[in-house]
Amino acid sequence: DAKTTQPPSMDCAEGRAANLPCNHSTISGNEYVYWYRQIHSQGPQYIIHGLKNNETNEMASLIITEDRKSSTLILPHATLRDTAVYYCIVRVAYGGGFKTIFGAGTRLFVKA
Amino acid sequence: EPEVTQTPSHQVTQMGQEVILRCVPISNHLYFYWYRQILGQKVEFLVSFYNNEISEKSEIFDDQFSVERPDGSNFTLKIRSTKLEDSAMYFCASSSGTRSYNEQFFGPGTRLTVL
Repeated sequence: DAKTTQPPSMDCAEGRAANLPCNHSTISGNEYVYWYRQIHSQGPQYIIHGLKNNETNEMASLIITEDRKSSTLILPHATLRDTAVYYCIVRVAYGGGFKTIFGAGTRLFVKA
Repeated sequence: EPEVTQTPSHQVTQMGQEVILRCVPISNHLYFYWYRQILGQKVEFLVSFYNNEISEKSEIFDDQFSVERPDGSNFTLKIRSTKLEDSAMYFCASSSGTRSYNEQFFGPGTRLTVL
């Protein structure tokens, strides 16, 4: 399984863009990069995913390097409610289902 | 927006007792999962379930654990004889397919406290 590396914590000022990096140098060609977040002790929440191209939705943007060995999640205008642990995950898929392997993630602190 | 629901939100039990944690996955989803998170630690995969059988389970999911889909809507996790170390948040998840781009939707969790 491809593994990911993320910084343990980051700070961001409210209203500024939060850029969360992730390294996944062993990713294989058909594996997607997913981002989830976990606010306090709530269930993980899906944010965005991508394969090769950059992606954007109402929550965030995902920038994937051309060699796919790293990516960056961008929260364009961070708010206090975005304070959470952010997980970068490479999806492992197999026959009857797939398991999501969570790492330690990046704890993002958004400060007023 | 459809969501995964879990009951109860908090379960307190005595060591050695059996507990059943309940989940209602999103209605058109076919794949179901349980994860757990011990306080301050990572979210850990326990088991995946499809077509009324276990697809994959982790080392954590030993003989004390079992899962069941007793009807068309519920998905349960049973712990036969709870231990202190079973205290954790338990998250249910579901997905519509197994392709890499099918996202998993997680429930809010059940906090299990074993005394």
